Amino acid sequence: QKEVEQDPGPLSVPEGAIVSLNCTYSNSAFQYFMWYRQYSRKGPELLMYTYSSGNKEDGRFTAQVDKSSKYISLFIRDSQPSDSATYLCAMRGGGYNKLIFGAGTRLAVHP
Amino acid sequence: GAVVSQHPSWVICKSGTSVKIECRSLDFQATTMFWYRQFPKQSLMLMATSNEGSKATYEQGVEKDKFLINHASLTLSTLTVTSAHPEDSSFYICSATPAGQGLYEQYFGPGTRLTVT
Repeated sequence: QKEVEQDPGPLSVPEGAIVSLNCTYSNSAFQYFMWYRQYSRKGPELLMYTYSSGNKEDGRFTAQVDKSSKYISLFIRDSQPSDSATYLCAMRGGGYNKLIFGAGTRLAVHP
Repeated sequence: GAVVSQHPSWVICKSGTSVKIECRSLDFQATTMFWYRQFPKQSLMLMATSNEGSKATYEQGVEKDKFLINHASLTLSTLTVTSAHPEDSSFYICSATPAGQGLYEQYFGPGTRLTVT
């Protein structure tokens, strides 16, 4: 079993839809949770990071962490074609000095 | 802020030759840099963690003699792929953590696409 599970998709939604992206993890010691966006043939871009449980909002993006369920989510409101990319969750903690990445979910927002 | 650059962005080399990839933090000092490789439609695979002034820590299964990492300053780390072979063809990405911040905040470079013929 992988430490971080993420559905690779692809996920296809119409413009304006609310997108929900999720990851589950097995290591209860993870404390820092991040979401990265990666366009094709580009490096990942840090979108959101949260510490421990709770919600964080930044514009159209909301990150949620539920440590009791070992489940994190990224919501994108009013999705745009420019949001089409691969979204990677990442986390660390529990003695790890490196990020543990999910497989990434490919999102396509069509006009 | 927090910009990381890589050079070159794309390189083709012949089998058996060596290739050097540079990773620079442009507007911050980075005590720790990370090197990843990524195959098409796959996630990032950490190769090594590089700390300024010390030897890199390689992940299990990564040949340290083949992938030479040097982190000579707080703004520059280099990855040299020695005696490259076609199976080394991949997308190599570096990331850097600003000095004074936790390792959770990593900023990635744009990546270098290596093709070995």
